[in-house]
Parts: sequence; C-alpha cells; structure tokens
Amino acid sequence: GQNIDQPTEMTATEGAIVQINCTYQTSGFNGLFWYQQHAGEAPTFLSYNVLDGLEEKGRFSSFLSRSKGYSYLLLKELQMKDSASYLCAVRSTGTALIFGKGTTLSVSS
Amino acid sequence: EAGVAQSPRYKIIEKRQSVAFWCNPISGHATLYWYQQILGQGPKLLIQFQNNGVVDDSQLPKDRFSAERLKGVDSTLKIQPAKLEDSAVYLCASSLSPVPGETQYFGPGTRLLVL
Repeated sequence: GQNIDQPTEMTATEGAIVQINCTYQTSGFNGLFWYQQHAGEAPTFLSYNVLDGLEEKGRFSSFLSRSKGYSYLLLKELQMKDSASYLCAVRSTGTALIFGKGTTLSVSS
Repeated sequence: EAGVAQSPRYKIIEKRQSVAFWCNPISGHATLYWYQQILGQGPKLLIQFQNNGVVDDSQLPKDRFSAERLKGVDSTLKIQPAKLEDSAVYLCASSLSPVPGETQYFGPGTRLLVL
C-alpha cells in the first residue's frame, strides 16, 4: 500500500528553527513535494525534491533520501506567519499526488 | 496571472440532495485534478483530467460522484445523492502538464457540509 507519515503537531517559537519529518512507502517514486496550507486556504507549493540531497529556498529547505524513504522540511528564522499545516506529498506512479495528513505548526512569540 | 478559480466557496445541503462544484484552471494548464480533503487529513485525489480525457478516476466513488471537463478547460464535479461523509473541502488543482516535477496549483476550495 501507499503510506506517508508525518507528525501531527509541532510547536516552536519565533526566530527558532524547526524540522518537519516525512517518511513514505509508495509503490513508485517520481518526486516529493512540500505544501503549506493556512487554515481555510488552499495548499501553496513550497518545494520539490526528486534527487537525494538538500534544496534550499530562502528560509525554507527540503531534504530527500530515496533509499530511506525520508524527507524533511527545515524552516529557519520562524515567523508568526509560518503557523500553518505543512503537507508532504509523493508522486508515486502516474502524476497525481499522494498526501500525508499534514503537520500543524504553531509558532508563538 | 490568475489562479485556479472555484465556486461556490461554501455549500450546505441535506443528505440525499445533489450538489455541483465548478473549477476554472490556470490558463493553458492541460492537467486538472479534483481532490477531497476531509478535516484533519491531507487531500485525496478523486479524478485527474488531461485536456478533456480522464487519466485516473480510480478513487472516485462512481455510484454517486461524477466529473467532466467537456472542452478541456473548465470542469464540474457533481455528487448525487450526497451522504454525511461527503462533508469535506473539494480542491481543484491544475498543472501545465502531467510530467513529474510539474507543480500543481490549487484553488481556494469549496467547503461542503452535508446535514
């Protein structure tokens, strides 16, 4: 079967660094996406990894290890506006995405 | 560039009634997806179109759900009859093409409550 696991909730303080982990077991692999979703809003694209290694984009970085079925999203210099749900999604076979349940991040001052 | 448009934004119906949702993808995007997002869960694919053809509808409950994209642009998703468990946000997404790595852009969603 297809399975994507990520923690349900995380908390952090402004200015800190947080790492959100994602492990996956899928029948195929054509890339891993991270999306940010604020409450009541649509998911917005953050990052895409298809090869092993780290992709950096401003305050956000994403890492992938295909052999371990593992990815993480690293958020630096946290801001209050980063409070949201972070969705890990894998493109298995085909092109549609299989999403995890999401990690709700709460950033406090 | 205009994003993915969806309407209505909210809908409340009683069980056994029918309901339809509309999606207009980003201009030029050939691939269109409908996802169902139940509260506290990630989106789940219902159906994928490439232009006006269905690519994947393996998770669409075909006894009550139907979708079409007649001219390869706008799409409608219909539920008939609705059940309580259909209460969810219905997200439409589009991408330029179906190739791996192509980003999917999501619309604001339609929140459905079935009473």
